[in-house]
Amino acid sequence: AQSVSQHNHHVILSEAASLELGCNYSYGGTVNLFWYVQYPGQHLQLLLKYFSGDPLVKGIKGFEAEFIKSKFSFNLRKPSVQWSDTAEYFCAAAFSGGYNKLIFGAGTRLAVHP
Amino acid sequence: EAGVAQSPRYKIIEKRQSVAFWCNPISGHATLYWYQQILGQGPKLLIQFQNNGVVDDSQLPKDRFSAERLKGVDSTLKIQPAKLEDSAVYLCASSPPKNTGELFFGEGSRLTVL
Repeated sequence: AQSVSQHNHHVILSEAASLELGCNYSYGGTVNLFWYVQYPGQHLQLLLKYFSGDPLVKGIKGFEAEFIKSKFSFNLRKPSVQWSDTAEYFCAAAFSGGYNKLIFGAGTRLAVHP
Repeated sequence: EAGVAQSPRYKIIEKRQSVAFWCNPISGHATLYWYQQILGQGPKLLIQFQNNGVVDDSQLPKDRFSAERLKGVDSTLKIQPAKLEDSAVYLCASSPPKNTGELFFGEGSRLTVL
């Protein structure tokens, strides 16, 4: 079955710390990968996406993610987090042959302390 | 550009009552999705429309949930009768004609079933 898993449900960091959120998907075919973010009180919005090409993709607000096909992973990173990065982060995948249905992971709630 | 509009934002009902949620997607977006997000979980696709036709409703509990998009624009999701486990945020999303899985979300409708 097609699925997306996120390893950390809650992460607490201090400002300026580095961030890495894990994401794995289970499918061997073509996949488009996404990270969405939901800031407190706001709607889900796209942070970055990977369709093909350079496996290191850069998104908004200094975030980046690396697609590692051999590990079925798409981890999100940021070298130095800010208090304003406090949010819930969702990894998602659209699998080929599934009408681009987006399947989400359970989310990681990030709290950044000043 | 106006975003995805949803109403109501909040609804509290008793079990066995009915409720309806409305969504107006971004103008020109052919594909419309309804997702259910239970607290602590990622969004789960309930139904996907392409124009006014259903593409995927495999996870829609059809004994109590129904959805329509009669004119290929706005959509209504109905629950009748509601159960306690239907308490969730119901998210509507849309995507442009060249659908690659990138979705634009509304702010959601939070349902509490007592």
